[in-house]
Amino acid sequence: SQQGEEDPQALSIQEGENATMNCSYKTSINNLQWYRQNSGRGLVHLILIRSNEREKHSGRLRVTLDTSKKSSSLLITASRAADTASYFCATTFSGNTPLVFGKGTRLSVIA
Amino acid sequence: SQTIHQWPATLVQPVGSPLSLECTVEGTSNPNLYWYRQAAGRGLQLLFYSVGIGQISSEVPQNLSASRPQDRQFILSSKKLLLSDSGFYLCAWSVRGQGIPPLHFGNGTRLTVT
Repeated sequence: SQQGEEDPQALSIQEGENATMNCSYKTSINNLQWYRQNSGRGLVHLILIRSNEREKHSGRLRVTLDTSKKSSSLLITASRAADTASYFCATTFSGNTPLVFGKGTRLSVIA
Repeated sequence: SQTIHQWPATLVQPVGSPLSLECTVEGTSNPNLYWYRQAAGRGLQLLFYSVGIGQISSEVPQNLSASRPQDRQFILSSKKLLLSDSGFYLCAWSVRGQGIPPLHFGNGTRLTVT
């Protein structure tokens, strides 16, 4: 079973708009990570946010974490066609167990 | 810099045939190694992970097996493939240590069992 569940499953926006994807999880976490997957390729790590952090930025990416609601969001600002990909959140059930991924959000950015 | 190699990129195999997918990592020592499978439109399913040579943990009981004959080599095998084994197989590595470090993925193998 997935520890993280992304929402929405698919998102289509115009270039220049912001894209927001959400992730909910079930148990206490050590950290939460976001990954990107271009079609037919491996996943690429985007950003890691620790359980004691509330917000983190990396370029056009902004991640928030609300441990009381067991949720995280990924915001991509000023989206580009090249941002078209699937985005996954990942976390663990406990301790040092391996990452468990959600089903992802498919983002389409239309030029 | 660290790199991960995974091959082949695509594979078409008949039902009942054997399977061997190989993954190697360069530029790091003592990595944790992982095999994930991704079915069409689905998330990633963790199949196996390894924290050292000969140490394999299986997450999902099935007709697949994994081996780690060398520190930076991880092999996924099957003696007899099933139709349900079709999917996108991804190898990944992470540094070994405390906490949950980021994973670094290979480009995957697209397996079609016919």
